[in-house]
Amino acid sequence: AQSVAQPEDQVNVAEGNPLTVKCTYSVSGNPYLFWYVQYPNRGLQFLLKYITGDNLVKGSYGFEAEFNKSQTSFHLKKPSALVSDSALYFCAVSRGNRDDKIIFGKGTRLHILP
Amino acid sequence: DADVTQTPRNRITKTGKRIMLECSQTKGHDRMYWYRQDPGLGLRLIYYSFDVKDINKGEISDGYSVSRQAQAKFSLSLESAIPNQTALYFCATSDPPQYEQYFGPGTRLTVT
Repeated sequence: AQSVAQPEDQVNVAEGNPLTVKCTYSVSGNPYLFWYVQYPNRGLQFLLKYITGDNLVKGSYGFEAEFNKSQTSFHLKKPSALVSDSALYFCAVSRGNRDDKIIFGKGTRLHILP
Repeated sequence: DADVTQTPRNRITKTGKRIMLECSQTKGHDRMYWYRQDPGLGLRLIYYSFDVKDINKGEISDGYSVSRQAQAKFSLSLESAIPNQTALYFCATSDPPQYEQYFGPGTRLTVT
């Protein structure tokens, strides 16, 4: 069965500094990996995904993520954090076949400090 | 207009009552999902449907049922609500080959 872990419940970063939100996964076969963001009182919004190809994927709002197969990781990154990036971030994994239930991590709350 | 809508947005109900949460989508996707979100537990899958005739249980389906009335509509029912079903409920849609999910705004349900 697939699973995903977000080891940090909360990450605090000063505005303008680079940020990383960590995600590791476990899945048989090739993973489909996703990042979503949830702003207060809103549904989840898709940020980016990795299915195949370049290990560095770019997404919305200047975010990017790096797929590392040997470390089974898919960390979310941004070179320069904005206060408006403060939100709850979810990593998710799927096997990408017909039975493509997506399993979500528990979420990491990102606080960008002015 | 939003691609995925949920009604109601907020609901307070009493223990033992039957309640239905509704989801509609205009994205034309075949696949629809119901999740619940609890603080510290992330999103957990309740039910999912790959087309109108295909309904599947997720990891926490006990106490819930669903109905896929059409490609665009997927309803979640709590036959006899209990307080530990108090949560934020999300509907989502997706379609291959993209697979990313599109979420509704959520329904905040409180069972007293």
